[in-house]
Formats: sequence, C-alpha cells, structure tokens
Amino acid sequence: DTAVSQTPKYLVTQMGNDKSIKCEQNLGHDTMYWYKQDSKKFLKIMFSYNNKELIINETVPNRFSPKSPDKAHLNLHINSLELGDSAVYFCASSLMGFSGNTIYFGEGSWLTVV
Amino acid sequence: TQLLEQSPQFLSIQEGENLTVYCNSSSVFSSLQWYRQEPGEGPVLLVTVVTGGEVKKLKRLTFQFGDARKDSSLHITAAQPGDTGLYLCAGAPPRGSQGNLIFGKGTKLSVKP
Repeated sequence: DTAVSQTPKYLVTQMGNDKSIKCEQNLGHDTMYWYKQDSKKFLKIMFSYNNKELIINETVPNRFSPKSPDKAHLNLHINSLELGDSAVYFCASSLMGFSGNTIYFGEGSWLTVV
Repeated sequence: TQLLEQSPQFLSIQEGENLTVYCNSSSVFSSLQWYRQEPGEGPVLLVTVVTGGEVKKLKRLTFQFGDARKDSSLHITAAQPGDTGLYLCAGAPPRGSQGNLIFGKGTKLSVKP
C-alpha cells in the first residue's frame, strides 16, 4: 500500500493552462505538505496544512491554490501555468508538524510547462 | 533566514571507498534529519538526530549531530553502488518557534562498481 500517493506522476501542459495535482495519504497523519523541487534539486516548502487548516504558506504566487477537503487529502491547483512552474512537486505528510517527526513523501509529480 | 549548506554538491567515487557529507548552518535546530532520494522517487528518511553530539549508526552509515546542534555529518564506509542517490539534510526549527523544515541543496553521490 502506498503511504502518500499523488497523481498524475507526469504532466506536460501548455503555458496559460490550469492544472491540478491530487494527493492522498493513508497514514492517518494530521499534517500534509506541498514541496517544490527545482532542476537543481533544491527542495522548498510551498504549503503546510494541519487538520485541513493552512498553517504555512510560503512566498508562492497566488496562482497556486491548495485545497484540503479532509485531512487525508491535499490537492494543488495551479492557474495560468508559466514556464518557470516546471519542476517536480512533492506531496508529503507527517504525524504532526515538523519537529523531529518523519516526513513521508510521495513519488512526485513531474510538471513540464511548454 | 535559516540556511543549510551541504557539501560537497557532487561526489563520484569507486565502490569500497569511504566518504563524508557535511551539513552546516549558523542556526540552531531542534533536530536534524537525513534523507536519501533516488531518481524518480521522493526523499526517504534515513535518520533523525536530536541531541547535540549524538551519533547514530545505520549499517555502514554513521550520522553525527554537532554539539551546538548547528551542523551534521554523514559518513559512509565502504560505499556500494546501491548507495548512489541524492542525500539531503533537513533541519527542524527550535520547538515553540514558527518555522519550516529547512532542506539543504543536497549531495549527489555516484558510486561506481
């Protein structure tokens, strides 16, 4: 059973389109995250939700909007896609917050904007 | 802003060699984690160190947390091709403070047979 699963794994789309990436965790965790990994492999947090409530929203363009229908799901919707949005997006979850807790990552969604 | 500097960025060695990866910061962390990421997959946690000066061993991997909880190292003995991957350190903010888990930029290790 996959602990953190995200779909799609690969996404190629044109500039200006709107796309969504879905994420689900079956670990019973309270906290979920979206991370972005750029071409240089730098992993940076975008959002963090705890029990469906947004707790961290880093400096991310407001074209990116996370939605958490319940604590097992955290979807990422991106409007008006730009070339610079091309990256790997990782969903992750942890029991509660960052400190000392294991963060479980999904396999990533490779987004290419052309 | 807390920053974690990892070195080296790239490391290519022969099977059987030893290596050390460093993770340094001017900030204090409540804990520090090491992850390994293989191509096409997400990072997977290897270890969490919490106490200053702590040393943890995971088979051929030895992790150390600096006394001041600002730095850490990962030492691999007798590296094998299966150790190939991207190694990421991540520091957790002090308890009670607002903040995110900060990732280093990673060390890409290639172990050749």
